[in-house]
Amino acid sequence: DADVTQTPRNRITKTGKRIMLECSQTKGHDRMYWYRQDPGLGLRLIYYSFDVKDINKGEISDGYSVSRQAQAKFSLSLESAIPNQTALYFCATSDARQGTRQPQHFGDGTRLSIL
Amino acid sequence: GQQVMQIPQYQHVQEGEDFTTYCNSSTTLSNIQWYKQRPGGHPVFLIQLVKSGEVKKQKRLTFQFGEAKKNSSLHITATQTTDVGTYFCAGMKEGGYQKVTFGIGTKLQVIP
Repeated sequence: DADVTQTPRNRITKTGKRIMLECSQTKGHDRMYWYRQDPGLGLRLIYYSFDVKDINKGEISDGYSVSRQAQAKFSLSLESAIPNQTALYFCATSDARQGTRQPQHFGDGTRLSIL
Repeated sequence: GQQVMQIPQYQHVQEGEDFTTYCNSSTTLSNIQWYKQRPGGHPVFLIQLVKSGEVKKQKRLTFQFGEAKKNSSLHITATQTTDVGTYFCAGMKEGGYQKVTFGIGTKLQVIP
């Protein structure tokens, strides 16, 4: 979805480095999510935010932190990267103003490799 | 916590054959969504089912929601090479905090 932009698209880094993945959206949605995708494990929720100042842990938040700088921006940080955080990361948004059962709109993903 | 099981994990079919993927939840769902991810792409929303026993169709795709709202299926009739990709179900727990749990996905390969 071109309205949900993730940067960078690809990143290779070393163990122990601090990494930030950025997500911005022009859809005006209030809810934003970070997922990681691993083969055979599907999409797992890391953190989600229902509004600015609202941050919630997902099922696999250990080793990650997030910041919702504005309604349109939601960044994911790996404070000290480790190899098992190598994965494809997706940001997604949804619009609760239309009701609580709304589809999610995904960015193109960030492929992160940690050596 | 809530679990959404999806089977099979992989499926290879000849072009023209039918395909079905199944989702089962450990808890009653408020609704279930289906997404498709093309190779190298991102998940794209296909459809949402809300009512018990609901059936919806999109051309060759048929989506069902079980009577108990704990299971769902996606059936593709006469597959085409354009159907290749991974299909995910995502369930929202009844009375939950309005976030979905994704199944692991079914990767469909269509052999021409």
